[in-house]
Amino acid sequence: GDSVTQMEGPVTLSEEAFLTINCTYTATGYPSLFWYVQYPGEGLQLLLKATKADDKGSNKGFEATYRKETTSFHLEKGSVQVSDSAVYFCALVMDTGRRALTFGSGTRLQVQP
Amino acid sequence: NAGVMQNPRHLVRRRGQEARLRCSPMKGHSHVYWYRQLPEEGLKFMVYLQKENIIDESGMPKERFSAEFPKEGPSILRIQQVVRGDSAAYFCASSQGPIYEQYFGPGTRLTVT
Repeated sequence: GDSVTQMEGPVTLSEEAFLTINCTYTATGYPSLFWYVQYPGEGLQLLLKATKADDKGSNKGFEATYRKETTSFHLEKGSVQVSDSAVYFCALVMDTGRRALTFGSGTRLQVQP
Repeated sequence: NAGVMQNPRHLVRRRGQEARLRCSPMKGHSHVYWYRQLPEEGLKFMVYLQKENIIDESGMPKERFSAEFPKEGPSILRIQQVVRGDSAAYFCASSQGPIYEQYFGPGTRLTVT
């Protein structure tokens, strides 16, 4: 079945460092891809998305590019802030079928001042 | 312009009791998804409902769990005879339809003692 694999955390960075969180997927069709962010004690917020190959999603300084050839959707940010500390989830949804999101296990990011 | 609402936010039940979790979708949304997040894990799909219909319950445990989304009122996830392994965060998401973005509520954190 469909699956998402993320790099394990926690990822600890200093403020203003460059961030990469790896995400790869396995799917039988053509999924749409998402990054969600979860702050402590809260629900998930959509951070960015891409719906087809070579699309780049971006929001709040975060970017991710849909790479069909490597089945990847890595999250990047050029300069992280303490306020970016959260858990980040990569997810996919198929364009047909039940439309339920399939999530990776999440990567905890800790940014130190 | 309220988002997805869930209540209660925290629920404590003793083993063998029943737990009822409620989800009110965003205004104009008639599709609801329930996901479960076990500690330190990603979210796992449980059930997908439209008003008065269960569209996909392939992620629901076969026993003790049920869900409904009546014509009027919130969606309800019901867990009968809870066990310690049911302790988790339960998230609801709503959308306008199967091809539209899902918006998440803040979750209900169930603790079984």
